Order: sequence, then C-alpha cells, then structure tokens
Amino acid sequence: DTEVTQTPKHLVMGMTNKKSLKCEQHMGHRAMYWYKQKAKKPPELMFVYSYEKLSINESVPSRFSPECPNSSLLNLHLHALQPEDSALYLCASSQDNTGTRDTDTQYFGPGTRLTVL
Amino acid sequence: SQELEQSPQSLIVQEGKNLTINCTSSKTLYGLYWYKQKYGEGLIFLMMLQKGGEEKSHEKITAKLDEKKQQSSLHITASQPSHAGIYLCGADILHGATNKLIFGTGTLLAVQP
Repeated sequence: DTEVTQTPKHLVMGMTNKKSLKCEQHMGHRAMYWYKQKAKKPPELMFVYSYEKLSINESVPSRFSPECPNSSLLNLHLHALQPEDSALYLCASSQDNTGTRDTDTQYFGPGTRLTVL
Repeated sequence: SQELEQSPQSLIVQEGKNLTINCTSSKTLYGLYWYKQKYGEGLIFLMMLQKGGEEKSHEKITAKLDEKKQQSSLHITASQPSHAGIYLCGADILHGATNKLIFGTGTLLAVQP
C-alpha cells in the first residue's frame, strides 16, 4: 500500500482566514514533505520533515506553518494568505531521507486545490 | 544549482504509436525518478534509476539512465489513451544532511484514439 491521503480536496479561503491542510500516511514512513504546484509548473518543495523534525524550510513565508504531530500526520497551517498563494498543495512521504535511493522514493497524495480570494 | 530539462515540452501521438521523452541534467544524476501526473492530481511514481546504463520496465513503459548519468529517457510502446498526462522526471540533490527532490520542466502527453 503506497497511499497518502490529503484533506480537503478543495479549499477556498479569504485573505483573513485561518485554515489547515492535512496529510496522512500509514506506510510507516518517517519523512514527509509539502510541495506547492502552480499551473503548468513542476512541484516546488516547501518543507521536509524527517523523523518528525523539520529538516528543510525552503524560505517559505511565515504565513505557511507546518506541523508534524506524529510520524503519520503532517499539517500545513495557513494564515493571512495572498491570492498568489492559490495553487495545488501536494503532500508526499518516503520511508526515510538518508540518501539511500530506494528508501528515499517519495509517494504523493492527490493534493489540495487552494484558492485564496 | 542542478537543473533538469525535459523534451519535448508537449507531445501528441496517435494511439498505438511509440514515443520517447528525454530528461537532461546539468550535473551527474545520483537518483532519477519518473512520475506521471494527471492534471490537478497527485504524482504517481513510475520508476527510479540510479546506476549508469540501468534500464527498467513496467508494462509498456521503459526508462533508461545513460552511462554518464546525465540523461534519462522514458519510452512508451504502443501508446494508449490511459498513458495521457504530464510526465515529470525528478532528481535527488543533497541539501545539508537531507535530500531534496527537484523536478524537470515536464512533458505533456496527449494520445489521440
């Protein structure tokens, strides 16, 4: 089973709202990732969690706040977003993130389509 | 910084035809991944290559990594409408003690029945 689930599937929010995106995997993976994908562009890495600790933050604005409550869950808290933040947000997980290719293979969820009005 | 360039950018083929998508890296590849994405959906993992000259196949899709490990190709035999989508190559790069995955520019494939 290589399933990563994401909720909600679609989200529309105003610039003053606070919302959260959720990602879950039950594959025993210890690395989890958030990506942002704009239309007709490849995904861009935002954050990496390895063994529940934040290991990469790609200079993402503080209005995006990641959280990893346990090894199966990854949240992305959103506050005071801008219209240009509208995009597909993808979550992924891998067995770990240690430079061993087989265990670094990332499996992606279906994404959350976010629209900021 | 490492960059991945894919060609062609888009491709329209008749059902049953063969096709090839290329991914070229500006630096040596240590792990090359191929993913497929339907518009607005998540990425589906296809294959991973790491050794020079390596070749892997799954159903009608074959991926190769060249000996110099700077170019990979994805070949689809007897294409079907189900093969339509966006194909992305990805490469591992070291970021401190962590690996990060960067993606190529993508190839949009349409298969006409």
